[in-house]
Formats: sequence, C-alpha cells, structure tokens
Amino acid sequence: QSALAQPASVSGSPGQSITISCTGTSSDVGGYNYVSWYQQHPGKAPKLMIYEVSNRPSGVPDRFSGSKSGNTASLTISGLQAEDEADYYCSSYTSSNTPLVVFGGGTKLTVL
Amino acid sequence: QITLKESGPTLVKPTQTLTLTCTFSGFSLSTSGVGVGWIRQPPGKALEWLALIYWDDDKRYSPSLKSRLTITKDTSKNQVVLTMTNMDPVDTATYYCAHFPPNAYDGDYWGQGTLVTVSS
Repeated sequence: QSALAQPASVSGSPGQSITISCTGTSSDVGGYNYVSWYQQHPGKAPKLMIYEVSNRPSGVPDRFSGSKSGNTASLTISGLQAEDEADYYCSSYTSSNTPLVVFGGGTKLTVL
Repeated sequence: QITLKESGPTLVKPTQTLTLTCTFSGFSLSTSGVGVGWIRQPPGKALEWLALIYWDDDKRYSPSLKSRLTITKDTSKNQVVLTMTNMDPVDTATYYCAHFPPNAYDGDYWGQGTLVTVSS
C-alpha cells in the first residue's frame, strides 16, 4: 500500500481537461510544499513535470499545472493530447519516521 | 547537461547481495545541498523510494528496507553505490538513480533504469 493515495485511472478526450488527485496526511502533502508529479511512459524513466506543488521545470508545457488544498494535491492537464497518455505519480517530502520521500500508487491516464 | 546511468547485474540469486552503481556527469556530489537517490519499480507496480545520499554524506533510508540497504558515494569517480543484502524474488524491479537538487525532494534527472531479476 502506497503512502499517498491516487486514483488508479482517469481518462479524457483530446482537448479536454483532467485532474489527478494525490491524498496524504499532515505529515507529508499537507505539511509541506514539496509535492512533485512525474510522468512515465511505458518502458521509460519517470520525468519530473511539477515540483514544489505548482512549479514547472523548463520545457514542461504550461498545460500541466499543480495545486494543493489541505492534505490533497492535484495535477491538472488541460488541452489533453495523445502524447499525454502515460502513468502519473505524485511524491512528497515526509516527516513521519522517514523515508524522506513517499510516492503515490500511480494513475494511468488514458486519452480516448 | 546532467546524466545518470545505472549499472549492475541483471540477474541475482535469492539470498545474494545486489550491488548497483550510479555513474553520473554534469554535476558534482561535493556541491552543497546536492543528493543522489535510488528508487525502484517492480514490474507493473508503483515507484518506491529506497535511499538517498547527500553531498555531506548524510544518508537516508526507507525504514522498511533500512536493515538491508547501504548507500555510499565516491565523489572523485562521480559514482553512488547501493547495496541490498538478502535479495528475494519480490525485489525484482527496475532500479533507478536520480539527481536531487539542493533544498529539494524531487528527482529532476533520472537514469534510464536497470532491471534486476531475482531468481534461482
């Protein structure tokens, strides 16, 4: 069982927007602004898409945005494109008995 | 340009010790705040954070695996080594190393990963 809870799957049509949630506790997501989101295509390494809740690394399209409310963080992808189909993982710094970082269980995004 | 690459055996037997090496370029592990971490992913499953070593040799481990893990660094060789003892088939996974920038807890650059299978 992963430390952070994510829906197993979400789907959307091209051009639409989707949101993936990531629920933790006050010891991780809710307590710190160190939530990250990764995109992983099959057979590839994860790619950082959002860091520190809402910041995008250079080169990540502004269609990707992050936010947080209480113990739940969210990744929103607007203007869905076929290449967005992938697995998405959230992670957070945690202060509870280490480890330093905890991951979510991952969400499979299907672009219909 | 930051790059990382994992190397090590692709097959280990149960009870054996796994040694993986992460060789990196484009940054120095003597730079204040920088870290290198290891993350694994069993086939078809989620990512799992294993360990991280910082520039000042501060080391952090996953509590559930702490007794089996050791992480070390060789700054002169630009390498980080992870050893995991008493390997079991459930440890079959792709093992990744990643660069952690100063004052951050996200891996901004990842290696390609190496699949390790545990089987007799």
